[in-house]
Amino acid sequence: DIQMTQSPSSLSASVGDRVTITCRASQTISSYLNWYQQKPGKAPKLLIYAASSLQSGVPSRFSGSGSGTDFTLTISSLQPEDFATYYCQQSYSTPRFTFGPGTKVDIK
Amino acid sequence: EVQLVESGGGLVQPGGALRLSCAASGFTFSSYSMNWVRQAPGKGLEWVSYTSSSSGTIYYADSVKGRFTISRDNAKNSLYLQMNSLRDEDTAVYYCARGGSATYGMDVWGQGTTVTVSS
Repeated sequence: DIQMTQSPSSLSASVGDRVTITCRASQTISSYLNWYQQKPGKAPKLLIYAASSLQSGVPSRFSGSGSGTDFTLTISSLQPEDFATYYCQQSYSTPRFTFGPGTKVDIK
Repeated sequence: EVQLVESGGGLVQPGGALRLSCAASGFTFSSYSMNWVRQAPGKGLEWVSYTSSSSGTIYYADSVKGRFTISRDNAKNSLYLQMNSLRDEDTAVYYCARGGSATYGMDVWGQGTTVTVSS
């Protein structure tokens, strides 16, 4: 099974900060990597698919990069509504999807 | 509006059974593969089960294989999860989610339904 790790597990940041979250796969997954945002008590929301493609309606301050085993989600200028938990998900072994453990972004 | 609405959650004793439903609207349900994903209290997301659009391909996570059964009724625009032999560790919010291709991720999610397994 493909295992996913994320770092950091949590971070504190201020509005306007540039934030970077890293996701690593236990084996190469090409570009089959998706990113989700989840706010407390809410369902996850797809932000990025195929490592770098922005889901329709998602603000352009979100971007994704990487391929192989190492991937990055970047928020270029953190907004108040971006405080949430972010999960990566591999879809290389579709449909046996695996999520990362999550990265919680909170207010400094 | 594209929407998924789960129902059927509740409190059940260990060893018991429950059937979850997910009603789809606003899109051609029969054209999409579907998933169940769960989240235990304070924990991360765990993929549970997948069905292709025609039910021809079905997969389960090892943690639920042999106990859970996914099904769908395309005429009723509905997805189901029959959960038997429930365990404490099955306690979670269960989400249905559209999609399952390698490329496009899960792009539509329901609001979730809570399953609590406790004596």
